[in-house]
Amino acid sequence: RKEVEQDPGPFNVPEGATVAFNCTYSNSASQSFFWYRQDCRKEPKLLMSVYSSGNEDGRFTAQLNRASQYISLLIRDSKLSDSATYLCAVGVSGGSYIPTFGRGTSLIVHP
Amino acid sequence: DVKVTQSSRYLVKRTGEKVFLECVQDMDHENMFWYRQDPGLGLRLIYFSYDVKMKEKGDIPEGYSVSREKKERFSLILESASTNQTSMYLCASSPSAFVEQYFGPGTRLTVT
Repeated sequence: RKEVEQDPGPFNVPEGATVAFNCTYSNSASQSFFWYRQDCRKEPKLLMSVYSSGNEDGRFTAQLNRASQYISLLIRDSKLSDSATYLCAVGVSGGSYIPTFGRGTSLIVHP
Repeated sequence: DVKVTQSSRYLVKRTGEKVFLECVQDMDHENMFWYRQDPGLGLRLIYFSYDVKMKEKGDIPEGYSVSREKKERFSLILESASTNQTSMYLCASSPSAFVEQYFGPGTRLTVT
């Protein structure tokens, strides 16, 4: 089983829709969680960190479910400019400096 | 704003050539990373460094080496480029463990 898994999609949604992605992780010692956005042929950029209590940034809401070992990203009122690939990253305690990335979920927002 | 720069956006090299990819960050970050990204395979870690002159192998170090002589600079070296090293190479840095990474714009390397 992969350490961090994401549905590759694509998720094809109309403008204004609400869409949610999940990212599951296998290591229960995971302690840091992030969502990145990657536009086509560009580098990943941090979208938001995910905190235990959940957090929101405008139209974006991130949640952590430790019991079921997944994080989620909810996008409300989707814009055309939200079209991108969304990568999750999970960091594990125990000395590793490196988060593990999922392979990403592709989102296409259409008019 | 954190800035991570990479020496080239596009590079074309011949099989067998020695290739140097350079990465510079301007935020005094401790950790630096080299990844390659291929369609369907996601980000794969090649090497990382948590201090000057320190390096650790990632998931796919074969055919690569790295150098970190100064804190701000992390170089990736392809000793003898091969066609299966054609890829997007991404450098990243982070201030410490368990925190977010900042990526450079990437170098799209083609080996012919």
